[in-house]
Amino acid sequence: GDSVTQTEGQVALSEEDFLTIHCNYSASGYPALFWYVQYPGEGPQFLFRASRDKEKGSSRGFEATYDKGTTSFHLRKASVQESDSAVYYCALGEAQGGRALIFGTGTTVSVSP
Amino acid sequence: NAGVIQTPRHKVTGKGQEATLWCEPISGHSAVFWYRQTIVQGLEFLTYFRNQAPIDDSGMPKERFSAQMPNQSHSTLKIQSTQPQDSAVYLCASSLDNSQNTLYFGAGTRLSVL
Repeated sequence: GDSVTQTEGQVALSEEDFLTIHCNYSASGYPALFWYVQYPGEGPQFLFRASRDKEKGSSRGFEATYDKGTTSFHLRKASVQESDSAVYYCALGEAQGGRALIFGTGTTVSVSP
Repeated sequence: NAGVIQTPRHKVTGKGQEATLWCEPISGHSAVFWYRQTIVQGLEFLTYFRNQAPIDDSGMPKERFSAQMPNQSHSTLKIQSTQPQDSAVYLCASSLDNSQNTLYFGAGTRLSVL
């Protein structure tokens, strides 16, 4: 079945560091790919999405490019802030939209001042 | 727009008791999803409604768990005879139509089974 793999379980950074979280997927066709962010005590919040090859999604300084060749949708941010400390989830939506989103295991990002 | 509203925020039950969790989706959204979140399993899909009809309940435990959507403004998740392993945060989300659209999550209900 369809799946999403996030390589990093935890990432510790200092402010102004570069952030990369790797996300690879396994699915047929062109699934929609999403990034969500979750802060303590809250539900996951939509960050952005992409639905076709080479499409770039971005929001709040975060970005990711849909790469069908490498089946990846890696999250990047050039300069993180302490307020970016959160759990980040990559998710996959079936191309036809009939099934619910499949989430990766999440990556906890901790940014120290 | 108040977003997706889930009540209660916290619920404590004794083993063997029943728990009912409530979700009010965003007005105008036709799809409602339930997920369960634990440290060990992460975000697990439970069930999904579209236009109040059940579409996919493949993630629901076959026993003790049931979900309903009696009208477009609320959905319930009921757990009968709760067990300690049911302790988790239960998240409800809604979207305009289906999973191709953005899911908007509520803050969740933290269920603790003693």
